[in-house]
Amino acid sequence: NAGVMQNPRHLVRRRGQEARLRCSPMKGHSHVYWYRQLPEEGLKFMVYLQKENIIDESGMPKERFSAEFPKEGPSILRIQQVVRGDSAAYFCASSGRNEQFFGPGTRLTVL
Amino acid sequence: QQPVQSPQAVILREGEDAVINCSSSKALYSVHWYRQKHGEAPVFLMILLKGGEQKGHEKISASFNEKKQQSSLYLTASQLSYSGTYFCGTEIDLDNFNKFYFGSGTKLNVKP
Repeated sequence: NAGVMQNPRHLVRRRGQEARLRCSPMKGHSHVYWYRQLPEEGLKFMVYLQKENIIDESGMPKERFSAEFPKEGPSILRIQQVVRGDSAAYFCASSGRNEQFFGPGTRLTVL
Repeated sequence: QQPVQSPQAVILREGEDAVINCSSSKALYSVHWYRQKHGEAPVFLMILLKGGEQKGHEKISASFNEKKQQSSLYLTASQLSYSGTYFCGTEIDLDNFNKFYFGSGTKLNVKP
């Protein structure tokens, strides 16, 4: 009974490169949320997706960031042309009805 | 629309009790509570769906006052393992979907 899976767990990128973060929800869950967390801070909502649909992307920066949740395969959060300020922990959570269960996170470091 | 949590930080001795509060300016569909330890992912503790509902999880329980748009998390006879940051998450019923917000967290440090 696998939980929410995220990979990679750690990602190092140089400024200007692209970062791709993957999230596989729990079995049977069709809702995925992405959050960003800076050290010693709270969880900042980025985007809420269902299969093949973006439901709410109000927390996502308008430029460089995109997310998808295809019919088959994991949800992907893509950050283009990364900058130092993108360094953070990125968590995804999946939910079936109400509760959200979090993955272990991807820690992105931009050099 | 982000819920307000109080206090921001609590230091307890093992065996003491604590209450963490979460309040929203919007009518709530549900309240969720999570605990996050340093360097780890948030762990789901419980969800409260109905106004006036109370739930318990070991020595951790919570209440939800729908009218006041508030929830409280009660930690009784705290253990060292309770240390971490506690987040409340509030779910607001919008027209097409439910929107979710996290509070800024309450740091709990339980000392021996």
